[in-house]
Amino acid sequence: AQSVTQLDSHVSVSEGTPVLLRCNYSSSYSPSLFWYVQHPNKGLQLLLKYTSAATLVKGINGFEAEFKKSETSFHLTKPSAHMSDAAEYFCVVSGAGNKLTFGGGTRVLVKP
Amino acid sequence: GAGVSQSPSNKVTEKGKDVELRCDPISGHTALYWYRQSLGQGLEFLIYFQGNSAPDKSGLPSDRFSAERTGGSVSTLTIQRTQQEDSAVYLCASSLGTGGWSTDTQYFGPGTRLTVL
Repeated sequence: AQSVTQLDSHVSVSEGTPVLLRCNYSSSYSPSLFWYVQHPNKGLQLLLKYTSAATLVKGINGFEAEFKKSETSFHLTKPSAHMSDAAEYFCVVSGAGNKLTFGGGTRVLVKP
Repeated sequence: GAGVSQSPSNKVTEKGKDVELRCDPISGHTALYWYRQSLGQGLEFLIYFQGNSAPDKSGLPSDRFSAERTGGSVSTLTIQRTQQEDSAVYLCASSLGTGGWSTDTQYFGPGTRLTVL
């Protein structure tokens, strides 16, 4: 069995400041982990994925995430938020049969 | 287009009617998935296909839900005798479906918003 917990349902940041979205997972084997972003009324877009190679994963639009097995975490960060980063972000773990299990989502608000 | 497409983008129906939702995966992708996104339940897995076969139907919420895939391409999700709790956004995704299942990246379509009155 696997599960994902996103620790914050909402995050508010000022433009130009760092963004941190927290994610903890539970999996009975070595997982693949993903972050997806969903802009209003749009589909899910892949930001980045971890597949047991480097623990620090770089994605699109300046985002990166670090896999920490000891903490069962996969937090997403960005050094400087942009207005276009306002969206909902999902941490996802892949399991048997490539079935994706989604976290509850974190909605990001970027203030000018 | 190069991405996953879904139709219709919006569907409003009356309780008790049947609806069909369509998904066109990325060309060459052998695996296809259906998910449901609703306010109360978040994003949940419904069913996936490898080719035309559906090895895992565990997420289908009731026997009113069914899906098929023909020619290893287009898939339809059918909901019979719709209920108000079926109102949600239905998302389709596809992936290459090659070895190394857990690393296969899924690409999502824009979804179909279903409203049951």
